[in-house]
Amino acid sequence: AQTVTQSQPEMSVQEAETVTLSCTYDTSENNYYLFWYKQPPSRQMILVIRQEAYKQQNATENRFSVNFQKAAKSFSLKISDSQLGDTAMYFCAFMGGGSTLGRLYFGRGTQLTVWP
Amino acid sequence: DTGVSQDPRHKITKRGQNVTFRCDPISEHNRLYWYRQTLGQGPEFLTYFQNEAQLEKSRLLSDRFSAERPKGSFSTLEIQRTEQGDSAMYLCASSSPGYLAFFGQGTRLTVV
Repeated sequence: AQTVTQSQPEMSVQEAETVTLSCTYDTSENNYYLFWYKQPPSRQMILVIRQEAYKQQNATENRFSVNFQKAAKSFSLKISDSQLGDTAMYFCAFMGGGSTLGRLYFGRGTQLTVWP
Repeated sequence: DTGVSQDPRHKITKRGQNVTFRCDPISEHNRLYWYRQTLGQGPEFLTYFQNEAQLEKSRLLSDRFSAERPKGSFSTLEIQRTEQGDSAMYLCASSSPGYLAFFGQGTRLTVV
């Protein structure tokens, strides 16, 4: 079974600073996808960034970037120039590329608070 | 509106009652997923459909739960004889052929 571990229940960062959220996963698959989702207090899950395992280049979306270490099964999210609107629960998620393609496995989440 | 829509947003029910939730996916998405999220946890997979076929069910989906997706469009999730342990946020997601999932705002169920 796939497992996703987020070891930081809570993180805080000052506005404009940089913060990194950690995620590790366990799988025997070689082809898979990794995601970071954001869930603000309104509760709708929003995709932040995704990474295909076959790509060596780390994904980047504006202020959000990942550090994907396939051998270590690590997938951290870096948020640069943090903004108050980044305050939310962040979930790391795994999607296998085989028979479970489409089904997401989530970590327990990291509550990020950005303070002024 | 082109997003995933869920109804109702909130539901309070007495233990033992039946409840039904509805999810309207993004129109061109052929896959639809149901997840359950309890407080302090990440979403957990319940079941998914490809078009009208229910292809997988989690062991979390007891026999009190049933999901349907008639005609491959909207989906319903019914919980019979609700228990307090069913209190959770029920999330629906749909995915494109590229398998990128978009989520609805969820239905928060409280069983009293």
